Amino acid sequence: NAGVTQTPKFRVLKTGQSMTLLCAQDMNHEYMYWYRQDPGMGLRLIHYSVGEGTTAKGEVPDGYNVSRLKKQNFLLGLESAAPSQTSVYFCASSYDPLGGAFFGQGTRLTVV
Amino acid sequence: DAKTTQPTSMDCAEGRAANLPCNHSTISGNEYVYWYRQIHSQGPQYIIHGLKNNETNEMASLIITEDRKSSTLILPHATLRDTAVYYCIVRVSLDSGYALNFGKGTSLLVTP
Repeated sequence: NAGVTQTPKFRVLKTGQSMTLLCAQDMNHEYMYWYRQDPGMGLRLIHYSVGEGTTAKGEVPDGYNVSRLKKQNFLLGLESAAPSQTSVYFCASSYDPLGGAFFGQGTRLTVV
Repeated sequence: DAKTTQPTSMDCAEGRAANLPCNHSTISGNEYVYWYRQIHSQGPQYIIHGLKNNETNEMASLIITEDRKSSTLILPHATLRDTAVYYCIVRVSLDSGYALNFGKGTSLLVTP
């Protein structure tokens, strides 16, 4: 049982490049989330999904897009990376909104 | 949505109980209180959550005051591995679901 797996773990991008972060969970959870964490700050919600085929905006959605084509996967895309998107990105999933959420180990992204 | 207030940092001697306070004076009647921790930039780890009654699991105990305006997370016998940032969270309502609103948390240092 892998839990929540994020790919890749590290990435360096040049300004203007695009990339996709993959989050996969094997717990059959309905809810999935993407957060970012900047130095000295708590996590901020980017986008979330309440089920396959659904996505919604969180607190800081600008510059990101997401897709949930399969229940187990939640993709986060950066179409044109900017230095302000340098951060650690965490994916999470939960069975329902009332239960505890399980987090991945993070993706450390640097945009130069 | 209810906000939480936590001390910025706390110390605890190894083997002693660590009591981490949290104020959530604007919490509504149906909102749960969640506790997570983050060890050295790893993904956050779910600890416990509760609504009205005190809760206990293998990791910790959660004591919620009768008026629900504050709570305390208790690690009964702190170890060096419990050094982490602890987040007290009240779930945030979103357009089509809920998410966890992470603040800056309490940085707990367990000393030998």
